[in-house]
Amino acid sequence: EVQLVESGGGLVQPGRSLTLSCTASGFTFGDYAVSWFRQAPGKGLEWVGFIRNKFYGGTTEYAASVKGRFTISRDDSKSIAYLQMNSLKTEDTAVYYCTKYTNYFFDYWGQGSLVTVSS
Amino acid sequence: QSALTQPRSVSGSPGQSVTISCTGTSSDVGGYKYVSWYQQHPGKAPKLMIYDVTKRPSGVPDRFSGSKSGNTASLTISGLQAEDEADYYCCSFAGSYTLWVFGGGTELTVL
Repeated sequence: EVQLVESGGGLVQPGRSLTLSCTASGFTFGDYAVSWFRQAPGKGLEWVGFIRNKFYGGTTEYAASVKGRFTISRDDSKSIAYLQMNSLKTEDTAVYYCTKYTNYFFDYWGQGSLVTVSS
Repeated sequence: QSALTQPRSVSGSPGQSVTISCTGTSSDVGGYKYVSWYQQHPGKAPKLMIYDVTKRPSGVPDRFSGSKSGNTASLTISGLQAEDEADYYCCSFAGSYTLWVFGGGTELTVL
């Protein structure tokens, strides 16, 4: 059974940093890209970023709203993807989801991790 | 404002059919065959319901179907059931620069 579990969320002050983890199981993690999404309270889904698998160089892409502040990385030996968030703003408050990516769609989602940016 | 336009809400009675539209442009919905739909119940993670415009993942009932005409994709749910009440989001690939765009979501109410 494919599972993705996010962790590391919590309350953080504006301007500070936080790193989320996404631990995967039930599939060969290294063969797939991983994407991160977020959902602000009462709002819709927003794509945050994406990391390709090693066959595509493990390269990353980011939404304009987070580019330069957020960094996605992966450790295939541990089946974990990371979302490092720097210079956090109040508008980054959201539930963050990691997903398994397969050929232009997102077939499995984690349960989400709440990040609250507030002083 | 979301890149793809969905109605904010739709409703239907049990057993009826409803269709949710998702309108984009020739740079996203109209330009690629990569439209997907996600169902989200309150407080839960999204779930893939349709991919590649018309395909259903294993385990998704065949009451759910997808289609596309020009710049508008649609999700049709036939034989509505109470458990279909949820938010639905469309997503389209939008090229190597933008990558993915989403609709703002549609709240489906089963009357």
